[in-house]
Parts: sequence; C-alpha cells; structure tokens
Amino acid sequence: NAGVTQTPKFRVLKTGQSMTLLCAQDMNHEYMYWYRQDPGMGLRLIHYSVGEGTTAKGEVPDGYNVSRLKKQNFLLGLESAAPSQTSVYFCASKQHYEQYFGPGTRLTVT
Amino acid sequence: AQSVTQPDIHITVSEGASLELRCNYSYGATPYLFWYVQSPGQGLQLLLKYFSGDTLVQGIKGFEAEFKRSQSSFNLRKPSVHWSDAAEYFCAVGVLTGGGADGLTFGKGTHLIIQP
Repeated sequence: NAGVTQTPKFRVLKTGQSMTLLCAQDMNHEYMYWYRQDPGMGLRLIHYSVGEGTTAKGEVPDGYNVSRLKKQNFLLGLESAAPSQTSVYFCASKQHYEQYFGPGTRLTVT
Repeated sequence: AQSVTQPDIHITVSEGASLELRCNYSYGATPYLFWYVQSPGQGLQLLLKYFSGDTLVQGIKGFEAEFKRSQSSFNLRKPSVHWSDAAEYFCAVGVLTGGGADGLTFGKGTHLIIQP
C-alpha cells in the first residue's frame, strides 16, 4: 500500500493564480483532512470530509475550496492565491481515530 | 473548543540523557491524544497514542507518554536520547464523540536539539 500520497511536492505560484492539490489514499478510509503548517503554529485544519461527496470547514477555511468526488481522493483548491497561503500542506486520512499523514506539499506564493 | 499547549519551544538535551517533553490540553470531554515527530522536510510520524485504559503508553523508538487526567497532561519521555531523535515533536488532541469526524488540534511543537 502506498498509504497517503500528495501531488505535487513543491509548487511556486504568483499572487492571483489558481491551483489544485491532490491527496490520494488507498486504505479505503472514510475520513480525510487538509491541514496547513506554518512556522511556530503547528498544524491547523483547513477542511475535512467524512465520506465521498461530503466536505466541511475546519479552523482556517477561508481562501480554500475542497471536493471529494471519489472516496480515495480529496482535492484542495486555491482559486486566487495570496502570499498568506505560503505554507506546507498536509493531507491525512483516518481510520479508528488514528490519522495517517501524507508527505506534504510545499507551496510558495510570490 | 479544545486546545493544546506545548510550553517549550526549544529543548536541548545531551546525547544519552533523559528527555521529557511537556503537553497540556484543554477539553471538557474525553480526549484522545497523540505524539507525532517530524524530521526536517518530512511528514509526520506517529510515535504513540492514547485512547483509554492504561495511562502509560509505549510507542516506537523507545518513547513513552503518561496521561494524567487531573493535570490535563500527556508528557512524552525517553530514558536515553540518540542524536537521531533531533526533530520537531507535536502533541495533538482529538475528540471522542460521535463518528470522530473532527480533525486533530495540534500544539505548536517543541524543537529538540541533541548535543554530542
């Protein structure tokens, strides 16, 4: 099993550009999450999903949209990137209260 | 809402010495608790978790943690650190309600430095 994978690993955007981050898991987990990690802030929850076709807001959802069209995929979209969205983004899926994290995507917005 | 406090931003320990990283949480209901480790440029690796039962839990790499409900703490310990333990350590709390859909709440992390 590959576990949780994220693409791309790195990305540089200009302010106002859009992009989509892809998270995929092969463990058949219902719950999936997107977090962002900023220096000195730990990880903060952006959005999450409790199953295919569902999404919900987390702690810091503004500026992001998500979709869960297939159970194994959870997409995070930035419609108009801002420098404040420079961060490392982690996806996770959950089974029995334990979360499994992907390797992260480092995004820089200039 | 729940919160997690890791009081120490940085800790320096000599190789071979013992280690204790502090974690305090705030939550009214029954929490479930985790410690994760992150090496530079890497993702998060689960060290150990507490859901219920024995309050002293054993994890990987020789780590253990003790849940103390009266102190709202879940401190991480290791009797003898190795240079490879240098990393960022995160404590996290989750909610044991319903389907457990909510994500984890993380502390801000403790950066562990190992002196030779």
